[in-house]
Amino acid sequence: QSVLTQPPSASGTPGQRVTISCSGSSSNIGSNYIYWYQQLPGAAPKLLIYKNDQRPSGVPDRFSGSKSGTSASLAISGLRSEDEADYYCAAWDDSLSGPVFGGGTKLTVL
Amino acid sequence: QVQLQESGPGLVKPSQTLSLTCTVSGGSISGGSYYWSWIRQSAGKGLEWIGHIYTSGTTIYSPSLKSRVTISLDSSTNQFSLKVTSVTAADTAVYYCARDRDYGDYDSWGQGTLVTVSS
Repeated sequence: QSVLTQPPSASGTPGQRVTISCSGSSSNIGSNYIYWYQQLPGAAPKLLIYKNDQRPSGVPDRFSGSKSGTSASLAISGLRSEDEADYYCAAWDDSLSGPVFGGGTKLTVL
Repeated sequence: QVQLQESGPGLVKPSQTLSLTCTVSGGSISGGSYYWSWIRQSAGKGLEWIGHIYTSGTTIYSPSLKSRVTISLDSSTNQFSLKVTSVTAADTAVYYCARDRDYGDYDSWGQGTLVTVSS
């Protein structure tokens, strides 16, 4: 059971906009930054969004992040086949004194 | 661009010690303010933080693994290491080393190495 809660799956058709939610508590999302990672099949996770809504260099602006209270969302617009991957949210947890992750959302592009 | 690479045995017997090393290239492990981290992922499961060592040498471990885990850093070889004692089948996973810029901000990852615990 992961500390952060994500839907196990999401799907969309090419060109569509998809959002993935991440729910936590006051000790993690509520008081710290949220991060999003993309894991392509057979690969290591890759930083997609940092500090709630910042994109690293090279990440398309189709990807955007937001946070409100103890929840966060990742939005992917103009969905493409190469976006098919697992997506994880993460945040530091003050009670654990360490980072916690969501269980991951498998995105399928139909 | 810093790069990380895990190395170590792919097979460990139950009750023995799992030992992995992460070699950092493209930057000094003792330069800057980073948390050099270990994260694992069991088959078909999510990501689990194991612990990290700060540039200064301070360590923090996951409470669930704290009694069995040691992370160390060697500036002379630009490497940091993970040891997990008394392993069981539950420790079978892909182990990643990663650089944390700021409490969960993992900007660089190794490719991961599969460690299987089996007799």
